[in-house]
Amino acid sequence: DADVTQTPRNRITKTGKRIMLECSQTKGHDRMYWYRQDPGLGLRLIYYSFDVKDINKGEISDGYSVSRQAQAKFSLSLESAIPNQTALYFCATSDPFDSGNTIYFGEGSWLTVV
Amino acid sequence: DQQVKQNSPSLSVQEGRISILNCDYTNSMFDYFLWYKKYPAEGPTFLISISSIKDKNEDGRFTVFLNKSAKHLSLHIVPSQPGDSAVYFCAASVYRGNEKLTFGTGTRLTIIP
Repeated sequence: DADVTQTPRNRITKTGKRIMLECSQTKGHDRMYWYRQDPGLGLRLIYYSFDVKDINKGEISDGYSVSRQAQAKFSLSLESAIPNQTALYFCATSDPFDSGNTIYFGEGSWLTVV
Repeated sequence: DQQVKQNSPSLSVQEGRISILNCDYTNSMFDYFLWYKKYPAEGPTFLISISSIKDKNEDGRFTVFLNKSAKHLSLHIVPSQPGDSAVYFCAASVYRGNEKLTFGTGTRLTIIP
């Protein structure tokens, strides 16, 4: 089983609809992130949370919101989806005491807004 | 404003030869650099990292070189193997321990058997 699990893995939704992407992790990490990947733009940070009571905007937070329901759960919402939010979304976790200073990604959620 | 740039979207290399992937950055505050590897339908996975106090770090077939004055780093894979075919992302952070990473646009590496 994956340490960082995203649901759904694929979703097609209509413009104007609300959509939630969920993320859960079994790594016991306090820090969680949401990234999106677009062709030619790499991975860009949407929101991040360093603990349950901490929520921070990333570089492209407009049009998104998040909720950190527990240490292990971090969800991303699109309140009113638009076509340019079509992308591959990644949840990730990290441990600041990890000597590798790395973040661990889920398998991704493909979202298509039509 | 792309602070981390990978100017080659794709690269093809013969199996057994050296693969060299390049990355440039503009933010002089970046202090820690990482390479991630991504296969289709999977999330990126950590490959190797380097702190700005070093200019080279090796891990098996993978070596990362950092040239701070040129704000340039490169990943060398030698010898290249078919399983190395993937998209490689360069990433940077302002200090080690801050996992809020800025990623490059990625380079798709194809190893030709």
